[in-house]
Amino acid sequence: DAGVTQSPTHLIKTRGQQVTLRCSPISGHKSVSWYQQVLGQGPQFIFQYYEKEERGRGNFPDRFSARQFPNYSSELNVNALLLGDSALYLCASPAPGRSTDTQYFGPGTRLTVL
Amino acid sequence: GESVGLHLPTLSVQEGDNSIINCAYSNSASDYFIWYKQESGKGPQFIIDIRSNMDKRQGQRVTVLLNKTVKHLSLQIAATQPGDSAVYFCAESTGFQKLVFGTGTRLLVSP
Repeated sequence: DAGVTQSPTHLIKTRGQQVTLRCSPISGHKSVSWYQQVLGQGPQFIFQYYEKEERGRGNFPDRFSARQFPNYSSELNVNALLLGDSALYLCASPAPGRSTDTQYFGPGTRLTVL
Repeated sequence: GESVGLHLPTLSVQEGDNSIINCAYSNSASDYFIWYKQESGKGPQFIIDIRSNMDKRQGQRVTVLLNKTVKHLSLQIAATQPGDSAVYFCAESTGFQKLVFGTGTRLLVSP
């Protein structure tokens, strides 16, 4: 079974643009969480979705939004990009056979805002 | 508030030594903790976890110790190898699969 998958791997945008990042959770799981990791820091929680509903939101502005599709894949959207949005965006889901508290991460999408 | 931090930003060891990475947490209500390893350019990789009703848990070459009295968590790596070189994060689960991460400790293993 594939792990958490994310696309694209890398992305370069300019200030003011909008970006969409994609994620598919581990097969069989209905939950997806998004994290932002700025260089040199630990990941920060952005959103958690379960069965297409938002179950948690971190301290991020309304420029950040997400949604989950019937197949449990998810998109993270960021509008009006700022230089400070440059980061590694990580997606996570639980894994079969383990506690749902245990999050497994994908490889991330490296976003650079110029 | 919630916070998870680490005492040492960088730890340098020799190959074959045992490594100990420390972490302090502030939310006494947290009941689940995870250690992750992150190599350059990759996502965090699950290493080991522990619930608050345990003091110790062992995996392959790794041991996690939890001291709830002083709100301290540690990761012990036995016979450290060059492949163990990475940044290590502890994370605290606050429910609904939300993790709170510290800033990380870089482990450097010299041959």
